Amino acid sequence: DVKVTQSSRYLVKRTGEKVFLECVQDMDHENMFWYRQDPGLGLRLIYFSYDVKMKEKGDIPEGYSVSREKKERFSLILESASTNQTSMYLCASSPTSGGRRGYNEQFFGPGTRLTVL
Amino acid sequence: AQKITQTQPGMFVQEKEAVTLDCTYDTSDQSYGLFWYKQPSSGEMIFLIYQGSYDEQNATEGRYSLNFQKARKSANLVISASQLGDSAMYFCAMRDGGGSTLGRLYFGRGTQLTVWP
Repeated sequence: DVKVTQSSRYLVKRTGEKVFLECVQDMDHENMFWYRQDPGLGLRLIYFSYDVKMKEKGDIPEGYSVSREKKERFSLILESASTNQTSMYLCASSPTSGGRRGYNEQFFGPGTRLTVL
Repeated sequence: AQKITQTQPGMFVQEKEAVTLDCTYDTSDQSYGLFWYKQPSSGEMIFLIYQGSYDEQNATEGRYSLNFQKARKSANLVISASQLGDSAMYFCAMRDGGGSTLGRLYFGRGTQLTVWP
């Protein structure tokens, strides 16, 4: 089974801190994604990556950056955390073609609930 | 404009009854895919069902079926014989872009389903 893991389930940080959220997948997927989820807003795409060292901005990249040095790992970085970045962060991965059932569905990690004080 | 619209923030259904969760989408692509995910209170995103734009038959997966009406651009999820464990947030999502291999998804805002005994 595909496994996507995230470094923390819960995280509390102070305003202005640099925050790293780590995501690792074990199925050799090319594509990886970072979303934030807020009540009433659904999932919004922050950044995605389709290859090592490649990244693309999603719909809400402001205040975030990403790093993908290895295929299995995709990191989300909050350069200077702010209270409006308090949210649930979800990482996902998907294959470029086909996948297990040919759907290229995304597989999600358990999420990191980040609180910025 | 929103690519995915879920107009029901919350739905209630009695155990063993069927329920339909609405989803409409917006795309000018001919080739696209539609997904439904379930998110229980624990937070993980669980893939439920997929419908390709060229699939002539409605997708079914156990108690889940997707009522795909292409002309109306709707992809409603039908859950038959609801169970208490179906209580969760449900997200509709779309992948468009034709031959794109990036596989990014656009999510709706979700519908919170509550199943009561």
